[in-house]
Amino acid sequence: SYELTQPPSLSVSPGQTANIPCSGDKLGDKFACWYQQKPGQSPVLVIYQDNERPSGIPERFSGSNSGNTATLTISGTQAMDEADYYCQAWDSSSVTVIFGGGTKLTVL
Amino acid sequence: EVQLVESGGVVVQAGGSLRLSCAASGFSFDDYTMYWVRQAPGRGLEWVSLISWDGGSTNYADSVKGRLTVSRDNSKNSLYLQMNSLRTEDTALYYCAKGERELVTHMDAWGKGTTVTVSS
Repeated sequence: SYELTQPPSLSVSPGQTANIPCSGDKLGDKFACWYQQKPGQSPVLVIYQDNERPSGIPERFSGSNSGNTATLTISGTQAMDEADYYCQAWDSSSVTVIFGGGTKLTVL
Repeated sequence: EVQLVESGGVVVQAGGSLRLSCAASGFSFDDYTMYWVRQAPGRGLEWVSLISWDGGSTNYADSVKGRLTVSRDNSKNSLYLQMNSLRTEDTALYYCAKGERELVTHMDAWGKGTTVTVSS
C-alpha cells in the first residue's frame, strides 16, 4: 500500500522559514495537500493541489511537489504556526486516501 | 458558513455496534464527496471511509473493511457511519469532512469530531 513519510518533529526560530517534507513513491505524479492541527482543534486545510491556498490562509504558507517529495513552506514563521502538520494524497485508481504521519512544528 | 456536526460517539464494549452521524449545513450537501477520518489518542490522522455525492461509490481503509459501513441521506443533509464488530483499536475521535465533487481529493472542512471508546 502507498505510504507518505514525514519527520516526526521540526524546530524553527521565529521569523525564519520552515520547510516540512513529505515523501512518497512518485508523489510528484499525484496532488498533495496539507493540514494544520493545533492542540484540541480539528485539522484545517492550508494547501491543496500542491500549491493552492484556501481563502483565509496567510500568504506565508506555500507548497511544492516534485519527484518523490512534497514540501510545505512557512515563510516568516510565527509563534501561532506552532502545530502538527499532515500531508495527504490520494490514489485515484484504488480510490484511497493516504495521510502522512504528521510533523510537530515547534517555533522557538 | 460550512458546518459539520458529528454525534453518536459513546463508550461501547468490544464486539459491539454503534452508528455515528454527521449533520451538514451551509453548502449543497448532495454535490460533494464526504469522508470519515479518525484520530486515536495521541496519534495521527487515519482515513476511514469515503462516499460519493450520490452514495453510489464508497470505499474503506483496510483496517475497517467489512466492519464499518458509510451511508448518506441527501434529503436530510446527513452522513452516517455504521460501526460493527468494534475493536479496542477503533478507539478514536471520529471526524466528518467535506471533499469536492470528485471522488477523492482534499478535505476543505472538518467537524469537531465525536469520540468512540471501545472497552475490552
